[in-house]
Amino acid sequence: QLQLVQSGAEVRKPGSSVKVSCKTSGVTFNTFVFSWVRQAPGQGLEWMGRLIPISTAPVYAQKLQGRVTLTADKSTKTAYMELRDLRYDDTAVYYCAGVSNPTVYWGQGTLVTVSS
Amino acid sequence: DIQMTQSPSTLSASVGDRVTITCRASQNIYGWLAWYQQKPGKAPKLLIYKASSLESGVPARFSGSGSETEFTLTISSLQPDDFATYYCHQYNTDWWTFGQGTKVDI
Repeated sequence: QLQLVQSGAEVRKPGSSVKVSCKTSGVTFNTFVFSWVRQAPGQGLEWMGRLIPISTAPVYAQKLQGRVTLTADKSTKTAYMELRDLRYDDTAVYYCAGVSNPTVYWGQGTLVTVSS
Repeated sequence: DIQMTQSPSTLSASVGDRVTITCRASQNIYGWLAWYQQKPGKAPKLLIYKASSLESGVPARFSGSGSETEFTLTISSLQPDDFATYYCHQYNTDWWTFGQGTKVDI
């Protein structure tokens, strides 16, 4: 059964970085399309970018271009999302997700709090 | 980017009511649409995928319909556990987009 299990909650100071992991099981890792989505408190869902481990460069939402990096470790079947230069409005729950046709799978979410 | 317009933004209803939420895509998404239920502090819960397929374990009172650019989520008889926020989500392209959400309350 396909599962996406994310790392735990993080607290960071403004200007620092955070790296969230998403460990997979039950997927064909190299061809799985990983998407990352975030949700700020009381807000809707915002797509951040997507990565296909075997394919070309990741694609990022224009709003986050230059601050976000998506990577994948094939040996551990784990995807990562790193966000740099954190700001207070980056406080959100971050989700990894992906499509295994025809349905969509989601991780449980990782709360990232940016606080001084 | 494909824009998803969801309506209404809020919906007041009572237990037993039939509820319909609409999502309109700015271009044809070939049925690659999902519906989620979200409660405070919880991850989105998948209800419907591929526009009309009911996720395993989801009560049959939930149904999805539509094609091309117009989609609906229907709850046939609203139950107390259904008061939540609902989102539509297009995954026709790798650039996912979501509706703004519909809060269903009393």
